[in-house]
Amino acid sequence: GAGVSQSPSNKVTEKGKDVELRCDPISGHTALYWYRQSLGQGLEFLIYFQGNSAPDKSGLPSDRFSAERTGGSVSTLTIQRTQQEDSAVYLCASSLKTAGAGTPAFFGPGTRLTVL
Amino acid sequence: GNSVTQMEGPVTLSEEAFLTINCTYTATGYPSLFWYVQYPGEGLQLLLKATKADDKGSNKGFEATYRKETTSFHLEKGSVQVSDSAVYFCALSGGSGGYNKLIFGAGTRLAVHP
Repeated sequence: GAGVSQSPSNKVTEKGKDVELRCDPISGHTALYWYRQSLGQGLEFLIYFQGNSAPDKSGLPSDRFSAERTGGSVSTLTIQRTQQEDSAVYLCASSLKTAGAGTPAFFGPGTRLTVL
Repeated sequence: GNSVTQMEGPVTLSEEAFLTINCTYTATGYPSLFWYVQYPGEGLQLLLKATKADDKGSNKGFEATYRKETTSFHLEKGSVQVSDSAVYFCALSGGSGGYNKLIFGAGTRLAVHP
């Protein structure tokens, strides 16, 4: 399809395990974003990529969280040693170019992460 | 820093009622403003946007006007339908926070009954 895709759609893991979440942005979109949506915190920005570099990582909540992007396309968000408070829906979004005035972001369906 | 405040929900309306969801923002400079909608079981979708003062964004019968003097971007629709039931998020980017990210309000759940 033409939209942002994410996998898996659901992930259940045990506390302490590592997880990887994948995002395939819209083809040609150079900007990519990760957000987290949880009941208590709403929608939180995690990290922004422009191409393969991440000029803004200010939203990553701890050093257990990391992300990379390769080939200016696919991105992986990795959470190490998961904790129960990491349970949330992780959303990926992409936009056509460097975010500018009015440049809209298009969101994927999200990965629902549950840490037991 | 930049922030967005939305009216708390849920908002419950009958079909064909008038809808207003209030949104105010705090930002320096000239942010861009957005409304996103999340239908049940679906991802976030851009509903409308405005990039400068007095701009009116509109889509699917929804409208919002960028009011710099009141730092507001209220969402309105003249006659809601059951299919409008969703969670609505006001968001901004730009201004002092830069255009690297969208800052979202907490979301307002709308339930429309026949």
